[in-house]
Amino acid sequence: QKEVEQDPGPLSVPEGAIVSLNCTYSNSAFQYFMWYRQYSRKGPELLMYTYSSGNKEDGRFTAQVDKSSKYISLFIRDSQPSDSATYLCAMSSGGANSKLTFGKGITLSVRP
Amino acid sequence: NAGVMQNPRHLVRRRGQEARLRCSPMKGHSHVYWYRQLPEEGLKFMVYLQKENIIDESGMPKERFSAEFPKEGPSILRIQQVVRGDSAAYFCASSTKGGGTEAFFGQGTRLTVV
Repeated sequence: QKEVEQDPGPLSVPEGAIVSLNCTYSNSAFQYFMWYRQYSRKGPELLMYTYSSGNKEDGRFTAQVDKSSKYISLFIRDSQPSDSATYLCAMSSGGANSKLTFGKGITLSVRP
Repeated sequence: NAGVMQNPRHLVRRRGQEARLRCSPMKGHSHVYWYRQLPEEGLKFMVYLQKENIIDESGMPKERFSAEFPKEGPSILRIQQVVRGDSAAYFCASSTKGGGTEAFFGQGTRLTVV
């Protein structure tokens, strides 16, 4: 079992839809959870950063973490064509020498 | 405040040549991570460095690959005797603290081995 599993894609939605992106993980040591957005042929851009369980909202984006189920989600409200990109979840135990472990990413396309 | 700078953006090498990838972290960042991304795959961790120290190189192939982050200057990822399988996008990320949290990525170097 991989440490981080991300829903396979691609995903195509109409403009204005609510998008739900999900990841599961197996390592209970993970404490920090991040979502990155990556446009084609660009570097990943940090979108959301959450510590432990709970919700975090930033504009149209909401990140949820359920540590008991080892499940994280990113919701995008009122999706826009400019949201079309690959979304990667990433996790870390947060220890001084730990690193980010990524899911494979899911490609989202928002149709005008 | 400039972001993480990687150069070159594109690099073409013939099989057997050496590839040197450079990463200048954001100002004030002393932690650097290198990742490799293959088509249709996520980012695979390679190595984590702090100034003058390799903290974790568990993702680095045992042969041909090396990394450094000297006291002065950029971090360097070096690939000797490149093979076709080394063709990938290599990304560098930096942060102010360890743990990989709030790491900011550069635009990557796309290595093509011909």
